[in-house]
Amino acid sequence: SVLLYQKPNRDICQSGTSLKIQCVADSQVVSMFWYQQFQEQSLMLMATANEGSEATYESGFTKDKFPISRPNLTFSTLTVNNARPGDSSIYFCSSRADKYEQYFGPGTRLTVL
Amino acid sequence: QQKVQQSPESLIVPEGAMTSLNCTFSDSASQYFAWYRQHSGKAPKALMSIFSNGEKEEGRFTIHLNKASLHFSLHIRDSQPSDSALYLCAVKGGPGGFASALTFGSGTKVIVLP
Repeated sequence: SVLLYQKPNRDICQSGTSLKIQCVADSQVVSMFWYQQFQEQSLMLMATANEGSEATYESGFTKDKFPISRPNLTFSTLTVNNARPGDSSIYFCSSRADKYEQYFGPGTRLTVL
Repeated sequence: QQKVQQSPESLIVPEGAMTSLNCTFSDSASQYFAWYRQHSGKAPKALMSIFSNGEKEEGRFTIHLNKASLHFSLHIRDSQPSDSALYLCAVKGGPGGFASALTFGSGTKVIVLP
């Protein structure tokens, strides 16, 4: 299995500001995934981040709005630029130890005022 | 692009009853089919998974897969109030290995009344 830690647990920010969410794994992992979840709804895959390469973004998510870095095999950051109230949701990082099961961090609850 | 859909959207069952959840997927080459459970305020966690057609039982939980009809299901026998949660089905497509993320369904909110 993989243990994932995220910080901050929650954040409240003003519209137009930027914030960073950090994810740390307890072991080296090939890929880290970032998901967005609105209140008790599905998990939407935002992007896949592999070490040393640009993140791959899913439809509806862009590098300018949600830049992701992956400097090494245990760490990733997601930045939310020019935050808007519509970005208020929970952000999860996720990864896997084998080809199949995914593990999730505890999530970062973002509120944009 | 993989499409994964769940039904029903929500479900209220009495304690001790059977809970049945459904999931359909679009990619016939999919390899891994799983149910995740997410309690309120917590991270999603894998409940059980299946790779090939048929049934798999673990305690009160049974997963059933029919690849030909692009459908799998989760059945919870003797439902308990602690089973109240958001249930998300998840599918992994054919190629991609480690770099291919799971696609999740829209979720079913289950409430088990004592």
